[in-house]
Amino acid sequence: DQQVKQNSPSLSVQEGRISILNCDYTNSMFDYFLWYKKYPAEGPTFLISISSIKDKNEDGRFTVFLNKSAKHLSLHIVPSQPGDSAVYFCAASEGGGADGLTFGKGTHLIIQP
Amino acid sequence: ETGVTQTPRHLVMGMTNKKSLKCEQHLGHNAMYWYKQSAKKPLELMFVYSLEERVENNSVPSRFSPECPNSSHLFLHLHTLQPEDSALYLCASSQDRLAGSGPDTQYFGPGTRLTVL
Repeated sequence: DQQVKQNSPSLSVQEGRISILNCDYTNSMFDYFLWYKKYPAEGPTFLISISSIKDKNEDGRFTVFLNKSAKHLSLHIVPSQPGDSAVYFCAASEGGGADGLTFGKGTHLIIQP
Repeated sequence: ETGVTQTPRHLVMGMTNKKSLKCEQHLGHNAMYWYKQSAKKPLELMFVYSLEERVENNSVPSRFSPECPNSSHLFLHLHTLQPEDSALYLCASSQDRLAGSGPDTQYFGPGTRLTVL
C-alpha cells in the first residue's frame, strides 16, 4: 500500500498563475517531508522541505504547507514560470538521519504560456 | 566533476549477463542510496549505506548486490536479472546527521536506464 500519494498525475497551469501540487500520506511516523523536481533525463533535484513541527515553509516562489491532522501537504508555486514545467515528487522520511525516502508517484506540472 | 554522477547512463543486458552500475559523489557526504524507479511506480528505496556500512535493505532480491568501498563510491552489481528488473536506477547521497536533527536532503544522480532482454 502506498504511504505517500500524489493523486494528480498531471496539472496544467497558465504562466504567472499559482500552481498547487498536493500530496497525502498515511504513515503517522513521518517527520520530514520534501519536494523534489525532475526534468527528463535528469535525477530528482531537491526543492524544499518541511519538518512536522512546522506548518509552513517558504523559499522564494515556493511554499510548502503541512496539515498534520489531515496528513496532507501541498506545494505552492507563485508565480508559475515556464521553467517550472517538470515532474514534482513528494517524499517523506521518519526521524531524519540516513533514512531512505518514501516517494509519491509524482505530478507532471505543465506551465502554459 | 561535481554532484552525483552515475555510469553508464544506459545499459542493455541479457538475463545471463553480469554487469555493474557505478555511482560517485563529489559532495563530501557520508551516506549513499540506491533507488529503483519502474514505469508508473514511485521511486523505491533499495539500499542505504551510512559510513560505508549497509544500514537498510528493503527486501531486495539477491540478484542485486550493492558494494560501498568508500564514502564516495557505490556500486550495484547485477546478476541473472529478469525483464521486470528493467527500470531507472538512481543513486543518491546525503550527509548523515543525527536522527531528529533534520531531514537529510538527498542529492540524486541522473540515473542509469537499464533494459533487461
